[in-house]
Order: sequence, then structure tokens, then C-alpha cells
Amino acid sequence: ETGVTQTPRHLVMGMTNKKSLKCEQHLGHNAMYWYKQSAKKPLELMFVYNFKEQTENNSVPSRFSPECPNSSHLFLHLHTLQPEDSALYLCASSQVWSDTDTQYFGPGTRLTVL
Amino acid sequence: GQSLEQPSEVTAVEGAIVQINCTYQTSGFYGLSWYQQHDGGAPTFLSYNALDGLEETGRFSSFLSRSDSYGYLLLQELQMKDSASYFCAVSLADNYGQNFVFGPGTRLSVLP
Repeated sequence: ETGVTQTPRHLVMGMTNKKSLKCEQHLGHNAMYWYKQSAKKPLELMFVYNFKEQTENNSVPSRFSPECPNSSHLFLHLHTLQPEDSALYLCASSQVWSDTDTQYFGPGTRLTVL
Repeated sequence: GQSLEQPSEVTAVEGAIVQINCTYQTSGFYGLSWYQQHDGGAPTFLSYNALDGLEETGRFSSFLSRSDSYGYLLLQELQMKDSASYFCAVSLADNYGQNFVFGPGTRLSVLP
């Protein structure tokens, strides 16, 4: 247990569906992250929130929409996804957005887009 | 662009020592981290190097040479539970601000 939880753990959706991924951290951290892990590709940083403010958006398509209502919760809203978006989506948190801070990862949501 | 290279697979036997290399081509380098990920699990942090040299944490050590854009993770006294994927990651500054780029990962198989 790393103190970071994600729900759901598995999700299957059609290309016309709208769904949301949820992440919650119980570590008192101020920075939260969304990563995408595809088979045979490096882990990709998608979004960074530091003190509830979005500080990074690494050219992620607009069909992925993050939301950070407070420092403990992070959402990733999904709509009109493509089959190539099928991947493991990982949430992480750290004390602050800093290169020296350890990031703690959640278990991930395995997303399949049909 | 930013890129990291690692061997895709490494195999070793229990009790052995294995070294996983990572080379990177990045700009605005801050430091090199290593993560372990078991199948079906989330990455867990192992080590971080900002300065040249060797950092030792129990059976795991990590090395960095900034001049060579190179680092490695050294695992000693290998155990079956060490079978996992190992990722190096560079923290850096680019045009978008501070960023964090992972390598492709090295799958380590420990044999009895």
C-alpha cells in the first residue's frame, strides 16, 4: 500500500462513452500526476497538478480532461476515446512538484477502448 | 527530443549481481531516478542521483555520470522477488517547465 488509490481498477468502454478515472491520495501531498503506460512504450507523463494548479500538459489530446478539485483528489475525464488509448493509467503523488521528491504511484486503471 | 535507452531484458540467477544501464539524451537535466514495477503492480521508487557517483541502499546501488549521460542500477544478492521491470527516469527542465521522462524499462528475470 502506497497511500494512493485508484478506481476503477479495470474499465472497458466504447469510443462514444464518457467515463472518469478517480485517484485519491492519503499522504498529505500537494502534487498529483497522471501517467499513461502502453505496452512496449515508455511511461508517459500526461498531467501535473501542484497545489491544485495544472503545471504540465504534455501535448495530451483534448479527449482527456483532468480535474483536481483539491490536493487529495484527481480525476481524468474521458470522452470519445480511440482504441489506441487503451493502456494502464497511473496516478502518482509527491509532497510538491520537484525533481527530488519521491513519487508514490497508485495501482493503476487498466483501460480498454473498444 | 528527449530519449532514454535501457536494455529490454536481462536474465540472472539467484545470488548473482546484475547491472542495468541507462543512457540518456536530454536537455535541462536535474537527476536520474530508478523505479521497480512488478507485473500488474504500480512503479515503486528505488533511488535518485543528482550528482555523479554511487548511491547505495541495501542490496541496490545506483550510479550516475553526468558527463557521460549514463547511469546504472546495480542489484546484488539477487532474489526471486527481484524479477520485475526496472525503469530509469530523468527529471529535467524543458520548454514546458519541469518534466519527467521514463525509459522503456528493462525486464529482469531471476532464475533459481
